[in-house]
Amino acid sequence: QTVVTQEPSFSVSPGGTVTLTCGLTSGSVSTRYYTSWYQQTPGQAPRTLIYSTNSRSSGVPDRFSGSILGNKAALTITGAQADDESDYYCVLYMGSGVWVFGGGTKVTVL
Amino acid sequence: QVQLQESGPGLLKPSETLSLTCVVSGGTISTYYWTWIRQAPGKGLQWLGYIYFIGTTDYDPSLKGRISMSVDTSKNQFSLRLTSVTAADTAIYYCARGRVGRDGNTLVYYFDHWGQGTLVTVSS
Repeated sequence: QTVVTQEPSFSVSPGGTVTLTCGLTSGSVSTRYYTSWYQQTPGQAPRTLIYSTNSRSSGVPDRFSGSILGNKAALTITGAQADDESDYYCVLYMGSGVWVFGGGTKVTVL
Repeated sequence: QVQLQESGPGLLKPSETLSLTCVVSGGTISTYYWTWIRQAPGKGLQWLGYIYFIGTTDYDPSLKGRISMSVDTSKNQFSLRLTSVTAADTAIYYCARGRVGRDGNTLVYYFDHWGQGTLVTVSS
């Protein structure tokens, strides 16, 4: 069974940079998984940040960027702000109409 | 602006059937992959499955046998049905629009619009 892995938590200072990753328990994440990233604050629905590995969704600030780093997909927040404190989820498209979410990363800005 | 709104019973007893509807406004239900995603209390997001506007479906294998989805293009809405619920099915259920295919020069497979979610609690 495919499991999508994410770091449970990260802490970043205001103005700092943090890179979250999204991997597979078996195999490497490449662009063919069309990784998307979502931000969720408590009590709110997820918000789409990144799709197709590195395309920003409409209205998303350019301090959010997506990439492939080694064998994982990555979401980088450059110049973190207080309201970036959220949970972040990656989703991989596994093909044949199936998506799998990662477990999420809780980002604290302090 | 596309908006999605879930509705359905918020409280079920074990063994009952969960039925939720998502109404799509501000856009057509055609050509998209209409998706259900849930989040158990304090947990992460789980993709449940999708229904394409022509009725094609695919589901999370862990739910196969209990889950089904339907679409009503005349009402611009789609639905989720989950049978034999247990406490483990207690969650916020989100509907979302899945974009699949070519967007300009890019191939896309992601969820671009989400409903606000509806809490379903399973308890005796």
